[in-house]
Amino acid sequence: EAQVTQNPRYLITVTGKKLTVTCSQNMNHEYMSWYRQDPGLGLRQIYYSMNVEVTDKGDVPEGYKVSRKEKRNFPLILESPSPNQTSLYFCASSGTAYNEQFFGPGTRLTVL
Amino acid sequence: KQEVTQIPAALSVPEGENLVLNCSFTDSAIYNLQWFRQDPGKGLTSLLLIQSSQREQTSGRLNASLDKSSGRSTLYIAASQPGDSATYLCAVLGAGSYQLTFGKGTKLSVIP
Repeated sequence: EAQVTQNPRYLITVTGKKLTVTCSQNMNHEYMSWYRQDPGLGLRQIYYSMNVEVTDKGDVPEGYKVSRKEKRNFPLILESPSPNQTSLYFCASSGTAYNEQFFGPGTRLTVL
Repeated sequence: KQEVTQIPAALSVPEGENLVLNCSFTDSAIYNLQWFRQDPGKGLTSLLLIQSSQREQTSGRLNASLDKSSGRSTLYIAASQPGDSATYLCAVLGAGSYQLTFGKGTKLSVIP
């Protein structure tokens, strides 16, 4: 089944404790991206990747890191999480940036 | 900077009604526009993608139209059903951009 998977789905952590949210797709897509969704603010893009080893900042990249060492994986790293990063995070992929986007199920992160 | 607006923020209709959801964008230089559905606590599901050169796209009971020059798109849902209850989001890919800009969505409730 073609899909985008994210892990973990739920995470509660404390300020400053490094964490990684994994994202994987099995559709051989070149384009992958991360979004956060907050009430009243909607979906905002954090980072995107056009292909392996090619990443770029979205609208809200501060406090996040990404890497794209393999085509199928695009992990999101929070090296020192803070409470303002409490949010619902989505990973998405598409053949290219110009194609239909497929979203993962989301990761609900709470930073205490 | 591209801004996407969806009005109304919430809509309640009786089952069986035909309805229209609206999306407007400020910069008409777009590559494509995509409509998504989001169920509570879940990821986004792509419904329709309209290229800038197209006027409309249809999938089952859904029809999306695009008027690029006026910066508007509509999603028409025929014969609404309770299972259509969800939040509907539109997103625009600007020409020369690799990033989707999302509206904040319209929360639709179809009452049996």
